[in-house]
Amino acid sequence: GNSVTQMEGPVTLSEEAFLTINCTYTATGYPSLFWYVQYPGEGLQLLLKATKADDKGSNKGFEATYRKETTSFHLEKGSVQVSDSAVYFCALRKNTGFQKLVFGTGTRLLVSP
Amino acid sequence: NAGVTQTPKFRVLKTGQSMTLLCAQDMNHEYMYWYRQDPGMGLRLIHYSVGEGTTAKGEVPDGYNVSRLKKQNFLLGLESAAPSQTSVYFCASSYRRNTSNQPQHFGDGTRLSIL
Repeated sequence: GNSVTQMEGPVTLSEEAFLTINCTYTATGYPSLFWYVQYPGEGLQLLLKATKADDKGSNKGFEATYRKETTSFHLEKGSVQVSDSAVYFCALRKNTGFQKLVFGTGTRLLVSP
Repeated sequence: NAGVTQTPKFRVLKTGQSMTLLCAQDMNHEYMYWYRQDPGMGLRLIHYSVGEGTTAKGEVPDGYNVSRLKKQNFLLGLESAAPSQTSVYFCASSYRRNTSNQPQHFGDGTRLSIL
């Protein structure tokens, strides 16, 4: 079946540090890939997405590249801020017919001043 | 812009009680979803709807019922609440067109505790 594996958290960083949150997936075919972010007390918000191999999604300084050869979609940011503290979810959706989103377990990021 | 609105935001129930969680969206989305979020398990799909008057089971449907009588509303019911249903519940919606890369828009969640 389809699945998403994320690194366990929490990830604790100082402000301006470099961030990587690993995400790998298992799926038949070529799914679309997503990163969602959940700030405290809120619902999930789409952060970025990529719909085919080698696509790079980017938003708010975050980037992730769809790597088919390694089945990965790692999230990166060059310089994190305290306001980036949140839970980040990697997700996939297959591209045939109606398919549900499959979420990873989420990675909590804590950024200290 | 309201987006996806869930009510209530918080509720405590006793085992065996029933309740309905309400979800409303004002984006004219065809698809709507109910998820539950539990520690260490990410989000799991309970039920979903691809249009008014239709519903379908997700990964964890047991103990829940849903209805989509109007396009903008999706109701999640617990007929006889159990402690295992203590969770945070999220409603989401999305467009039907080009489903595969359409983002889902989420509400802020309902925190439900069953004693």
